[in-house]
Amino acid sequence: ELKVEQNPLFLSMQEGKNYTIYCNYSTTSDRLYWYRQDPGKSLESLFVLLSNGAVKQEGRLMASLDTKARLSTLHITAAVHDLSATYFCAGYGNKLVFGAGTILRVKS
Amino acid sequence: DTAVSQTPKYLVTQMGNDKSIKCEQNLGHDTMYWYKQDSKKFLKIMFSYNNKELIINETVPNRFSPKSPDKAHLNLHINSLELGDSAVYFCASSLTSGGAIDTQYFGPGTRLTVL
Repeated sequence: ELKVEQNPLFLSMQEGKNYTIYCNYSTTSDRLYWYRQDPGKSLESLFVLLSNGAVKQEGRLMASLDTKARLSTLHITAAVHDLSATYFCAGYGNKLVFGAGTILRVKS
Repeated sequence: DTAVSQTPKYLVTQMGNDKSIKCEQNLGHDTMYWYKQDSKKFLKIMFSYNNKELIINETVPNRFSPKSPDKAHLNLHINSLELGDSAVYFCASSLTSGGAIDTQYFGPGTRLTVL
């Protein structure tokens, strides 16, 4: 059964700094998703990564996928306060399986 | 226009009561889902329906019964509510049940509190 692990689970960073969230998954996953959740809000789809070496970028966020290492990363460049949220990765076998989420706090 | 909507947004009720949560999507998607997000923010799928047919039924107490009157609606009925049912319940939909880039779109969530 697919298991998805994220680390770190909590990340406090200064504005302007770079950091990476890691997402490991246990078995073959057809694709890998990244979602964002603001406090008390719904989940917003950020990226879907379909194949080995896939890289997607939107603003200060860049996601990549290494299917051989069963690893996806979400890289944050020059963080700003508006990026504060919980970020989830999710793998897909026959259903979406979420990681525990990474709570990101960007301090001014 | 809201793509995936849920009602109610908040639900506070006593143990032992029966309650329902409604979900509607106007995206023309074939597949709908129910997820439970617990107090630690962990998200887990409960059910999935494709074109009104149940396709995923995770290990969920049979007090939980989904119903899909048509492919745009998926409701969740919960009998004999227990304290442990307190959580946020999210409805989601996707175009198909496993297409190549089948992103799931989530509703706003229903925060259920059982007293």
